[in-house]
Amino acid sequence: EVQLVESGGGLVQPGGSLRLSCAASGFTFSNYWTSWVRQAPGKGLEWVANISPDGGNKHYVDSMKGRFTISRDNAKNSLNLQMNSLRAEDTAVYYCALNSDWRFGSWGQGTLVTVSS
Amino acid sequence: QSALTQPASVSGSPGQSITISCTGTSSDVGGYNFVSWYQQHPGKAPKLMIYDVSSRPSGVSNRFSGSKSGNTASLTISGLQAEDEADYYCTSYTRRSTWVFGGGTKLTVL
Repeated sequence: EVQLVESGGGLVQPGGSLRLSCAASGFTFSNYWTSWVRQAPGKGLEWVANISPDGGNKHYVDSMKGRFTISRDNAKNSLNLQMNSLRAEDTAVYYCALNSDWRFGSWGQGTLVTVSS
Repeated sequence: QSALTQPASVSGSPGQSITISCTGTSSDVGGYNFVSWYQQHPGKAPKLMIYDVSSRPSGVSNRFSGSKSGNTASLTISGLQAEDEADYYCTSYTRRSTWVFGGGTKLTVL
């Protein structure tokens, strides 16, 4: 069974940094594109970034380019998102999603990031 | 990248059919058959309901169907049931090798 478990969320001050992780199991993680998708409180889904199976290709939504960095460690079956220069509008639940075969087939339960002073 | 356009809300009575539209551009919805739909109940993670415009994952009811015409994709739910009440999101691959979601549609089963 595919499992994606996010961690690393919490309260951070504006301008601060946070690193999210997603632990994958139940499938061959190194074979699949994976994405981060976020959802601000009471708002819709917003795709953040994805990364190729070998980590060599990365794509970002324009508004987060330069502040967020996606990475993966296939040896540890882990997906990461380094978030810098955080703003109040980055407050959201961040989901890790298996971005395989042109769809988001499996999702984690999400981790909440709150940016506030 | 602008979000795809979905109606904010739709409603229907049990047993009826409803359709949710998702309008983009030739750079996303109109340019690729990589449109998928997700159901999200409050406090839960999204669930894949339709992929590649009209394909259904195993385990998803055949009451859910998808289609596309030009720059607009659609999700139809037939035989509405109470448990279908949820938020629905479309997404499409884009020519910039990114993904874009719709703003979401709240389905109310009357």
